[in-house]
Amino acid sequence: KQEVTQIPAALSVPEGENLVLNCSFTDSAIYNLQWFRQDPGKGLTSLLLIQSSQREQTSGRLNASLDKSSGRSTLYIAASQPGDSATYLCAVSTDSWGKLQFGAGTQVVVTP
Amino acid sequence: GAGVSQSPSNKVTEKGKDVELRCDPISGHTALYWYRQRLGQGLEFLIYFQGNSAPDKSGLPSDRFSAERTGESVSTLTIQRTQQEDSAVYLCASSSRRGKTGELFFGEGSRLTVL
Repeated sequence: KQEVTQIPAALSVPEGENLVLNCSFTDSAIYNLQWFRQDPGKGLTSLLLIQSSQREQTSGRLNASLDKSSGRSTLYIAASQPGDSATYLCAVSTDSWGKLQFGAGTQVVVTP
Repeated sequence: GAGVSQSPSNKVTEKGKDVELRCDPISGHTALYWYRQRLGQGLEFLIYFQGNSAPDKSGLPSDRFSAERTGESVSTLTIQRTQQEDSAVYLCASSSRRGKTGELFFGEGSRLTVL
């Protein structure tokens, strides 16, 4: 059974520092990996999707890497801002129709 | 619509009552998913639709939970004889094979409180 773990569970950094969020999964036979952001009381916003054949994806200040063989993904957020404060969720899919197995998330606080 | 729409956004009900939660996926998305998020916990998969059929309903916690989808569009999640442990945010997502294959887009959720 696929298990997804996110470390750390919570992270607090001063504004301007780079954020590094880790995600690991036990079964390397994944179709894709998706990073989401969740604000309190809100739904999930898709940040980046990495297909299994890809090594990384970038969008603005966000960069996500994928090492399928070691079962790891890392989300980097450059030059963090208070508006980046949220819970970040990692999820993996083992089929093309996208059923996702989620990690528990990393709660990020960026202090001004 | 532009995004996944869910209703109601909030529902408070008494134990033992039935509730219906509705999801309108992004137009043209053939895959639809229901997830549950209890307070302070991660997302639990409930059921997945491909078109109007549900090839994977393995996450439904009991026979009090059911879901249907009609016209490859709207889906309804029904919880019968609600219990306090059903209190959670119920999230719906949709996905398409076009564009970024397998990317899921979520709605804002329906927050259910069972008194």
